[in-house]
Amino acid sequence: RKEVEQDPGPFNVPEGATVAFNCTYSNSASQSFFWYRQDCRKEPKLLMSVYSSGNEDGRFTAQLNRASQYISLLIRDSKLSDSATYLCVGGDSGTYKYIFGTGTRLKVLA
Amino acid sequence: GAGVSQSPRYKVAKRGQDVALRCDPISGHVSLFWYQQALGQGPEFLTYFQNEAQLDKSGLPSDRFFAERPEGSVSTLKIQRTQQEDSAVYLCASSLQGRNQPQHFGDGTRLSIL
Repeated sequence: RKEVEQDPGPFNVPEGATVAFNCTYSNSASQSFFWYRQDCRKEPKLLMSVYSSGNEDGRFTAQLNRASQYISLLIRDSKLSDSATYLCVGGDSGTYKYIFGTGTRLKVLA
Repeated sequence: GAGVSQSPRYKVAKRGQDVALRCDPISGHVSLFWYQQALGQGPEFLTYFQNEAQLDKSGLPSDRFFAERPEGSVSTLKIQRTQQEDSAVYLCASSLQGRNQPQHFGDGTRLSIL
C-alpha cells in the first residue's frame, strides 16, 4: 500500500461545477500536508498548504482530518483553466521530504 | 527569474553513458531535494540536502546514482552507466529550513535513455 493514495481519475466535470478530491495517508507521523497542481509536462506548483483547521483560498478549500488520516480539496465554480493533475503531498516529519500521491487528473469541460 | 533552475531541460543518452543533471536552487534556500517522476506517477523522493550535507539518500535507486552539493548551493545529480529504466523526469526542489516550509520545484530535466 502506498503511503499517500489518491484516486487517479480522470474527473471530467462541466464548467461551473464543484468537485472534490480526497487523499488518504498511512503515516500517522506526517506533520505537513500540501496540494500541488501539475500541468502536462510542467513542474508541480504549490496550490495550497493544508492546516488542521481547514483553509480556503478563493475557490479552493483544503481540509485535514487527522483522525481518519485524509485530506481533501474542494474546487468551487470550476474553470477551464483548472484542468490539471492535483497532487496530494504528505511531509515527512523528520527529513521534510515529500511523499506524493499519484495525482488526480481533472478535466473541466466547456 | 528567482525560481529553481534546472539544466538541461532535455537530455538524451545512450544506455551505458554517464549523465549529470544540474539544479540551482532559490537563493537562501537551505534545503534541496531531488525527485524522480515516471510518466503518470507522482514524484518519488531520491535525496535531500541541508546546506552541503546530504542528510537522506534513501530514495536513490542504486549505487549508480550520486548527488552532491559541495558549497551548499548548486547541486548535481549524476547517473552512471545509465539504463533504460532511468528514463524519467528529474525534479529538483528547494525550501527554507524548517517544518511546514513548502518546496518550490524547478522545471525538471526530462531524461531519455536509448
